[in-house]
Amino acid sequence: QSALTQPASVSGSPGQSITISCTGTSSDVGAYNYVSWYQQHPGKAPQLMIYEVSNRPSGVPNRFSGSKSANTASLTISGLQAEDEADYYCSSYTISTTWVFGGGTKLTVL
Amino acid sequence: QVQLVESGGGVVQPGRSLRLSCEASGFTFRDSGMHWVRQAPGKGLEWVTFISDNGRHKYYADSVRGRFTVSRDDSKKSIYLQMSSLRPEDAAIYYCVKDRDRSWSFDYWGQGTQLTVSS
Repeated sequence: QSALTQPASVSGSPGQSITISCTGTSSDVGAYNYVSWYQQHPGKAPQLMIYEVSNRPSGVPNRFSGSKSANTASLTISGLQAEDEADYYCSSYTISTTWVFGGGTKLTVL
Repeated sequence: QVQLVESGGGVVQPGRSLRLSCEASGFTFRDSGMHWVRQAPGKGLEWVTFISDNGRHKYYADSVRGRFTVSRDDSKKSIYLQMSSLRPEDAAIYYCVKDRDRSWSFDYWGQGTQLTVSS
């Protein structure tokens, strides 16, 4: 159950687009389309932003989008806004009927 | 609206036991799988355990298997996490999380309950 690999930090200016990668293996990210993404502001509980690779729950702005290629999933935030500054985590269901998270990425809006 | 309220956290000595509870409302509890996810201070998220909607299927992270036990009581709309042989590395905020109906993602989160393991 090794953690998925995410960059420790990314940054962008308001209005720009950023992409956060999430690399796993053929036993998790590459095995199913059950990759999800979470936003966590300091001191708050995480919030689901993307499920099943690219689906947005109701209420999540369409500036947030997800994709996957082989063992790597990606979260893209377009039209960056100040309130997007937070930690972001990816997660994947695995072939062992467990779940694994990425180490998290701190997004800074410059 | 969906609400998940955890309780039972606190300070416990290494090797001791503790039970966490989570009471749910705002959705059809008996139809939902549920997870516990934890977050150590200043660290990332770690999935701990899942219990299926009928309670028959339970899965655990390697780090807690054999020490933690998840259960549910649909009549009380609650899940529980019985933790034994606690270690300092189990110290974390423990979140109760609703599974998003077969999409295997973490749909709604409680605010968490803090566990400290220290002598």
